[in-house]
Amino acid sequence: ILNVEQSPQSLHVQEGDSTNFTCSFPSSNFYALHWYRWETAKSPEALFVMTLNGDEKKKGRISATLNTKEGYSYLYIKGSQPEDSATYLCASYDITGTASKLTFGTGTRLQVTL
Amino acid sequence: ETGVTQTPRHLVMGMTNKKSLKCEQHLGHNAMYWYKQSAKKPLELMFVYSLEERVENNSVPSRFSPECPNSSHLFLHLHTLQPEDSALYLCASSQTTQLDEQFFGPGTRLTVL
Repeated sequence: ILNVEQSPQSLHVQEGDSTNFTCSFPSSNFYALHWYRWETAKSPEALFVMTLNGDEKKKGRISATLNTKEGYSYLYIKGSQPEDSATYLCASYDITGTASKLTFGTGTRLQVTL
Repeated sequence: ETGVTQTPRHLVMGMTNKKSLKCEQHLGHNAMYWYKQSAKKPLELMFVYSLEERVENNSVPSRFSPECPNSSHLFLHLHTLQPEDSALYLCASSQTTQLDEQFFGPGTRLTVL
């Protein structure tokens, strides 16, 4: 069974603060890590797909790093804005035999206030 | 708008009812998925279809029956559900089942009385 853990469960920051979240996953059978952003009443939206150890991805003020050997990924948000308020999900993609699937963590809920 | 639509958005049903959830993707993808989101739990994969063939059944009870008539449409047929099946059901699609990011629909909020 693949467990994907995210911390913290929730986070409340002021506008302009920078913040980061952690996603940990079993490193065996690892194939890829996905980050998704899920705003309330909307659909989850892909942020990054990461595959290589040491990989870094960036989209605007949001960036992510990946360490496949120790089984963790960090998501960073620089200068948080109220529109960044959402739940951030990570999911580990593993392949066991002929089966492949995404296993999601429970997410980090971010609230950014003025 | 992600290109994946789901209907209905909300559904209330009794335990003896039969209902169906519908998902449609307009992205030309070859893979489609059903996920379940229960309160305080992570998104849980239920079924995976690739090119209209089921490739993954994640130990889902038989009261949930998927159907994929073509690569653009996915159904989840519901029969004699239990109150604990109340959850948000999300559909997603991706280009293939290998590695690609998934595009999610808005979900169907299901309540079983």
